[in-house]
Amino acid sequence: RKEVEQDPGPFNVPEGATVAFNCTYSNSASQSFFWYRQDCRKEPKLLMSVYSSGNEDGRFTAQLNRASQYISLLIRDSKLSDSATYLCVVNIEAGTYKYIFGTGTRLKVLA
Amino acid sequence: DTGVSQNPRHKITKRGQNVTFRCDPISEHNRLYWYRQTLGQGPEFLTYFQNEAQLEKSRLLSDRFSAERPKGSFSTLEIQRTEQGDSAMYLCASRRVGGQSHAYGYTFGSGTRLTVV
Repeated sequence: RKEVEQDPGPFNVPEGATVAFNCTYSNSASQSFFWYRQDCRKEPKLLMSVYSSGNEDGRFTAQLNRASQYISLLIRDSKLSDSATYLCVVNIEAGTYKYIFGTGTRLKVLA
Repeated sequence: DTGVSQNPRHKITKRGQNVTFRCDPISEHNRLYWYRQTLGQGPEFLTYFQNEAQLEKSRLLSDRFSAERPKGSFSTLEIQRTEQGDSAMYLCASRRVGGQSHAYGYTFGSGTRLTVV
């Protein structure tokens, strides 16, 4: 089993739609969780950290379910500019801040 | 400070040649990480430094790969006797460690895209 697994997509959604991605992780001792966004041929950029209680940043909501070992990202009112690959990131080893990346979920928002 | 800087942005080399990439992290960041990314995959961990000390190397980092961070500031990644399978985007990232740092992610550089022909 991979340490971090994501559905590669692509998810094709119309503008204004709500879309959700899940990501599962294998190590129950994982400490920190993030979502990164990566545009084509660009570097990944931090979208948001994922906190135990869940957190929201504008149209984006992240949730953590430790019991089932998954994190989720919800995007409301999708914009064309949201089209990108969303990478799930997990810090498995405490203190190393060595992040394990999923393969990414590709999102296309269609006009 | 303008973030993490990597150069060159692109490198095309012939198989068997040596290449070296440079990364300049954000100045107050004491941790520096190297990752490799191929098409359709997420970044894969290669190695990381705490100041000038290299703390971990991935099994992916064969003996043809070496990384240094001699003064705890910039880092170099060298690949000797390049192979076509080395073609990838090489990403450098840095972060600050300490305080509430568990909530902070990495800041990545723009990467060096290596093509081995």
